[in-house]
Amino acid sequence: GQQVMQIPQYQHVQEGEDFTTYCNSSTTLSNIQWYKQRPGGHPVFLIQLVKSGEVKKQKRLTFQFGEAKKNSSLHITATQTTDVGTYFCAGRGAQKLVFGQGTRLTINP
Amino acid sequence: DTAVSQTPKYLVTQMGNDKSIKCEQNLGHDTMYWYKQDSKKFLKIMFSYNNKELIINETVPNRFSPKSPDKAHLNLHINSLELGDSAVYFCASSQGVKESEAFFGQGTRLTVV
Repeated sequence: GQQVMQIPQYQHVQEGEDFTTYCNSSTTLSNIQWYKQRPGGHPVFLIQLVKSGEVKKQKRLTFQFGEAKKNSSLHITATQTTDVGTYFCAGRGAQKLVFGQGTRLTINP
Repeated sequence: DTAVSQTPKYLVTQMGNDKSIKCEQNLGHDTMYWYKQDSKKFLKIMFSYNNKELIINETVPNRFSPKSPDKAHLNLHINSLELGDSAVYFCASSQGVKESEAFFGQGTRLTVV
């Protein structure tokens, strides 16, 4: 079945450092979505990428979709304490959204 | 108004009991989901309904029975609860099954003792 792998599982950074999480799918995806879950909260949609090689930015966040539509990355520039949480990628295959294991980001202020 | 609401938020129960979790969405979406998030934060899809029809059943034990009385509601009933059922259960909804984002409820933390 479809699998979505995400690395790293945990990342601890100093405030102001950059952060990147990577996502790989075992199958070609129709699109990929990114979600953020704050501690004790629920996943909240950040963005969706649809086109091969697509790059989208949201302020300090940069999202990329690979050329083969099987991998994606999220890069945060100059992290702030408000960035703390778990970041999930989710790949759309046949009728379902499959989530990666998530990357838990903690930040030292 | 909360877009996707689940009740209860917390549920503590003994092994062997039967319990239900309710979910309602007021977004007008036609697709609803149940996800289970374990202690390692892994989000695993359990069920998906589109227009009240079950379209995904991810090899979940048949002690778990979803019910969708209408497009706005998807409830989850669990029989004979086991310790391993302890987790956070998230309801979510989306418009369609292909392109759109999923909106999640606040989650129900189930603890089986």
